[in-house]
Amino acid sequence: NAGVTQTPKFRVLKTGQSMTLLCAQDMNHEYMYWYRQDPGMGLRLIHYSVGEGTTAKGEVPDGYNVSRLKKQNFLLGLESAAPSQTSVYFCASSYSRVLTGELFFGEGSRLTVL
Amino acid sequence: AQSVTQLGSHVSVSEGALVLLRCNYSSSVPPYLFWYVQYPNQGLQLLLKYTSAATLVKGINGFEAEFKKSETSFHLTKPSAHMSDAAEYFCAVTGSGGNEKLTFGTGTRLTIIP
Repeated sequence: NAGVTQTPKFRVLKTGQSMTLLCAQDMNHEYMYWYRQDPGMGLRLIHYSVGEGTTAKGEVPDGYNVSRLKKQNFLLGLESAAPSQTSVYFCASSYSRVLTGELFFGEGSRLTVL
Repeated sequence: AQSVTQLGSHVSVSEGALVLLRCNYSSSVPPYLFWYVQYPNQGLQLLLKYTSAATLVKGINGFEAEFKKSETSFHLTKPSAHMSDAAEYFCAVTGSGGNEKLTFGTGTRLTIIP
């Protein structure tokens, strides 16, 4: 039972480079989320999706784009990486809404932008 | 808007002693409150949640939390700490208004002293 799988787990980028983080869940969940975790700041919501083909902005969306072409996948893109985007990124999914559903998290992707 | 404040970024307790991790919330609507735990190099896991039913909520691994509206608090407790409880704990809040934003606190790292 894989749950939520994130790839890659580690990546080092140079300023201005682009990359995509992939999140895959095998639980048939409708809702998917991308968070970033920074020391002393907890987790902050970047973007989320309430179903295939839909996306919405979270708390800190600038500099990121997302796509949910398939229900099981949620991609997070950085078009032009900046040092401020150095962080640990977590994907999460849930069967139902945040009010009633438990979020299941991946193990995280550590990104360093030089 | 909702927010949570976790008092103490680091807490140390002796094995067998009481664990108390503090969380205070602010919400303009009736809140839904959660505690998540993060073990090293892993994603977050749900410990317990309050969704306006019983004010004393029991979770996994012997943890419980009590919702106190008068004190705007949702502190996490465990009567007897175990070495395996060493982790980072996050309090989170969302409003009953229907948006998908789960706002996390900055986390409390719990260390267990043998």
